[in-house]
Amino acid sequence: EAGVTQFPSHSVIEKGQTVTLRCDPISGHDNLYWYRRVMGKEIKFLLHFVKESKQDESGMPNNRFLAERTGGTYSTLKVQPAELEDSGVYFCASSQDREQYFGPGTRLTVT
Amino acid sequence: SQQGEEDPQALSIQEGENATMNCSYKTSINNLQWYRQNSGRGLVHLILIRSNEREKHSGRLRVTLDTSKKSSSLLITASRAADTASYFCATDEWGAQKLVFGQGTRLTINP
Repeated sequence: EAGVTQFPSHSVIEKGQTVTLRCDPISGHDNLYWYRRVMGKEIKFLLHFVKESKQDESGMPNNRFLAERTGGTYSTLKVQPAELEDSGVYFCASSQDREQYFGPGTRLTVT
Repeated sequence: SQQGEEDPQALSIQEGENATMNCSYKTSINNLQWYRQNSGRGLVHLILIRSNEREKHSGRLRVTLDTSKKSSSLLITASRAADTASYFCATDEWGAQKLVFGQGTRLTINP
């Protein structure tokens, strides 16, 4: 069974540009989560989808971040426009119960 | 808000020894999970312990949970070089599925 996959693995963009991260959860998992870890800080929750609905988006830092999960399958996280402080590793996780399975992450570098 | 805090921040031991890492949190939880992250890679789910459980085993891993002290420990027995990684505890509250992570313990196993 394939695990959670994320694309790209690494993205380098300039401040002000737009980046879209993609997450493919484990097949059949209704729950999909986004987390991120900025340099030197702990991993922090961004939002939680149940199928295509946003269940909890309390961790989204501001309106430059937009997450979607059309059709309840894969999800995208768009950052527009990107700022320097957005640099970090963005993790996606999926679950059917309480155990969350994480993808390898996308390392975002904003220069 | 609750936050898992690992102790120690870094641990270096000889191969074959046992490694113990601790985690404390601040509020009532539903579950506590331990994850491992190898350098530059994603988070690997190790074990989940529910709030009504006190101890759980998985291979060379032993996790304890003391809800009265709001703390958990992860014991890795007979450590191997491949156990070198960062270890994180993550908690979730009743009624919420988002995970709250600590800063992690960096474990180094010396051959």
